[in-house]
Amino acid sequence: NAGVTQTPKFQVLKTGQSMTLQCAQDMNHNSMYWYRQDPGMGLRLIYYSASEGTTDKGEVPNGYNVSRLNKREFSLRLESAAPSQTSVYFCASSGTPPTEKLFFGSGTQLSVL
Amino acid sequence: ELKVEQNPLFLSMQEGKNYTIYCNYSTTSDRLYWYRQDPGKSLESLFVLLSNGAVKQEGRLMASLDTKARLSTLHITAAVHDLSATYFCAVDRGYGGATNKLIFGTGTLLAVQP
Repeated sequence: NAGVTQTPKFQVLKTGQSMTLQCAQDMNHNSMYWYRQDPGMGLRLIYYSASEGTTDKGEVPNGYNVSRLNKREFSLRLESAAPSQTSVYFCASSGTPPTEKLFFGSGTQLSVL
Repeated sequence: ELKVEQNPLFLSMQEGKNYTIYCNYSTTSDRLYWYRQDPGKSLESLFVLLSNGAVKQEGRLMASLDTKARLSTLHITAAVHDLSATYFCAVDRGYGGATNKLIFGTGTLLAVQP
């Protein structure tokens, strides 16, 4: 009954450090997504993967890279973290749009100092 | 550019009262979604609205979609404290078809007071 699992739940980085956020889903979904949520704003799409081996930019892709390792896993990498990347990051997955809703992970609270 | 606006941004209401949250969007789309987020938690899907005139209801919540007016509403009937949360609407960008690349509104923080 895991659904979408994200790690880590919390992370503090110094400016310029790199890190990878991990996401895995066990619902056999084709589509996976990375969103960020900032105070007073809705969620903004960073990257999207319609299927294994494909990725596409969302609204705010700058400063991020992604890897769709296999059907289950979709990772988000910050190569050189900046304070502007302080945010809560959510991974999500879905079956075939549009009828399939998004299932979200529990989120990663990232602070960049 | 697709923009999604919700109002009100904050809503304080008494238990037992009715109210409506509005979601307007700027470009043509016939795919709109409502999500709920409890404080410090993840998002949970409430409704998927896929056509003009679509209406979905679950418990005290009812959502509708008017694609001609580019408007969706989330109506709360006889509010209870458990409905306190932030509610987001989201519209599919739909480049060349449904993609689930969603543009989210800024959210409506609902606080139901006893």
